[in-house]
Amino acid sequence: EVQLVESGGGLVKPGGSLRLSCAASEFIFSSYNMNWVRQAPGKGLEWVSFISSSGSYKYYADSMKGRLTISRDNAKKSLFLQMNSLRGEDTAVYYCVRAGRYGMDVWGQGTTVTVSS
Amino acid sequence: DIQMTQSPSSLSASVGDTVTITCQASQAISDYLNWYQQRPGKAPKLLIYDASNLQTGVPSRFSGSGSGTDFTLIIRSLQPEDFATYYCQQYDKRPPTFGQGTKVDVK
Repeated sequence: EVQLVESGGGLVKPGGSLRLSCAASEFIFSSYNMNWVRQAPGKGLEWVSFISSSGSYKYYADSMKGRLTISRDNAKKSLFLQMNSLRGEDTAVYYCVRAGRYGMDVWGQGTTVTVSS
Repeated sequence: DIQMTQSPSSLSASVGDTVTITCQASQAISDYLNWYQQRPGKAPKLLIYDASNLQTGVPSRFSGSGSGTDFTLIIRSLQPEDFATYYCQQYDKRPPTFGQGTKVDVK
């Protein structure tokens, strides 16, 4: 079964850092662009970051620009999101999402990031 | 950024009903519009891509239409598993943006 499994979420103090990971299985990871999408408690979906299949192109949401680094290791079929200078408003479930040919077609179960003192 | 506005924000319906959700883009996006379903406590799921194409495995009671700025998702003969929140999303311009969601709950 095609699957994405996130990890690395947790409780962090304002100003702190976290590194999220996403492990892909049962598809050719290196052929797909990937995204991170987040959802604050009780709120809608917000795109956070994109990386091309080769890792050459990276894009970030303005709300988090300068505080994020997206990366991938195609050999290990893994996606990463380094988040720095975290704020309370970054509290959310973070989803690893495959960018299929026809849309965001595979979603992980999400990992929860809570920013609080 | 392109703003996506869904209407209504919530609605109540019964099993067997037909439900219509609309999505309006702040500028023309051709048919670069997807619809997602999110059940409570679950990750979103792609339902419809390119405004009107059903993702593999999605029941035919779901349909999408529209182009330019105005789009519609219709669910015919609503089933118990369809009570969920639905989001539209444009991918014509970066960043991809989502509507605020439409929650379909039990009347």
